[in-house]
Amino acid sequence: SQTIHQWPATLVQPVGSPLSLECTVEGTSNPNLYWYRQAAGRGLQLLFYSVGIGQISSEVPQNLSASRPQDRQFILSSKKLLLSDSGFYLCAWSVRGSRSYNSPLHFGNGTRLTVT
Amino acid sequence: DAKTTQPTSMDCAEGRAANLPCNHSTISGNEYVYWYRQIHSQGPQYIIHGLKNNETNEMASLIITEDRKSSTLILPHATLRDTAVYYCIVRVLGAGSYQLTFGKGTKLSVIP
Repeated sequence: SQTIHQWPATLVQPVGSPLSLECTVEGTSNPNLYWYRQAAGRGLQLLFYSVGIGQISSEVPQNLSASRPQDRQFILSSKKLLLSDSGFYLCAWSVRGSRSYNSPLHFGNGTRLTVT
Repeated sequence: DAKTTQPTSMDCAEGRAANLPCNHSTISGNEYVYWYRQIHSQGPQYIIHGLKNNETNEMASLIITEDRKSSTLILPHATLRDTAVYYCIVRVLGAGSYQLTFGKGTKLSVIP
């Protein structure tokens, strides 16, 4: 079965420090990969998605970047964190290919980031 | 994506069926109905989805009305571990359509 791993689960970082959140998927090949952010009491905001190695699409301009160095690895980064980067960050995957139109998203357990 | 309306909260006795309604009166013909749930401090968990026909899997059943303007998620035998916020989402899937708009959902409390 497919599993998705995200780490760390919680992170407290000072303003101006760098960030690296990692996500890996097991049990599937060539997945679509996503980074979402969830603010307290609000819905999910899509930050980045990737349909293949090195292929990253950004949904909103921001202080963050994403990379996909391997097929099942997705990394969220920042060179200098802002207070507004605090939130709950979720990685997700879905099936890619001819059936992707009907494929649900499967989420990791998230990273709760607090920028102080 | 079409907007959805759900009750803010619901209670259900343990062992009974939980029926969670969702209105999506502006749904268009190519939009699917998806249900997710989120237990506090965890990522959303996919439950079920459908287009026109009723669907059933190991977790739940999804009943979609004939006009597709509303649906009901049914948890046949609710347990305490089903206490969570349940989100109903309608979305078009396809190239470039990866946005997933979660509303406020329904907070389901399963009571012993």
